[in-house]
Amino acid sequence: DAKTTQPPSMDCAEGRAANLPCNHSTISGNEYVYWYRQIHSQGPQYIIHGLKNNETNEMASLIITEDRKSSTLILPHATLRDTAVYYCIVRVAYQAGTALIFGKGTTLSVSS
Amino acid sequence: DTAVSQTPKYLVTQMGNDKSIKCEQNLGHDTMYWYKQDSKKFLKIMFSYNNKELIINETVPNRFSPKSPDKAHLNLHINSLELGDSAVYFCASSPGTGGWGYTFGSGTRLTVV
Repeated sequence: DAKTTQPPSMDCAEGRAANLPCNHSTISGNEYVYWYRQIHSQGPQYIIHGLKNNETNEMASLIITEDRKSSTLILPHATLRDTAVYYCIVRVAYQAGTALIFGKGTTLSVSS
Repeated sequence: DTAVSQTPKYLVTQMGNDKSIKCEQNLGHDTMYWYKQDSKKFLKIMFSYNNKELIINETVPNRFSPKSPDKAHLNLHINSLELGDSAVYFCASSPGTGGWGYTFGSGTRLTVV
């Protein structure tokens, strides 16, 4: 089961910032938060990950609260091509390895 | 060059048949995965291999048998196909067993009729 909670859907106007929240209240101290997205029926695409500090790359910024119980993915200037399902993920540990377990995600609709 | 390539892209077959899906990655990654995405769009982990060794088998029916001949390839063979096997199957690879940098293939849409 996914260890994160996200709103099922959000809307954003093109050119505006899209702020996607995620709750991960049971995250352990050394576990990262990962964000992926899936555009239409393509394979999911890695966006960003973080532990406790804010992170930024060419795609997005990730803001993690000080208590690490929630985070926000920020797409600074959303475009129509950013319409996708966004997944906030904390890894699940198995006996011999770990894997990303995808929840329901947030469907972001960007409109002009 | 496609980083993670899956073949075939579409597969339509009858119940009871046996079929295989192939996956290859040219990223030099050590870990590969099979995920299943059903009609409700949930992505579920099925298997994971690290350097050709099975490390995750997520209670998948034993009709599904993964094989990794080398760390660049992970194939999925499915015996006695059932209607419920209809889904999109995604192969992925990652540099290690951390959660970043997964690269997914474009998926194989399997339809069992």
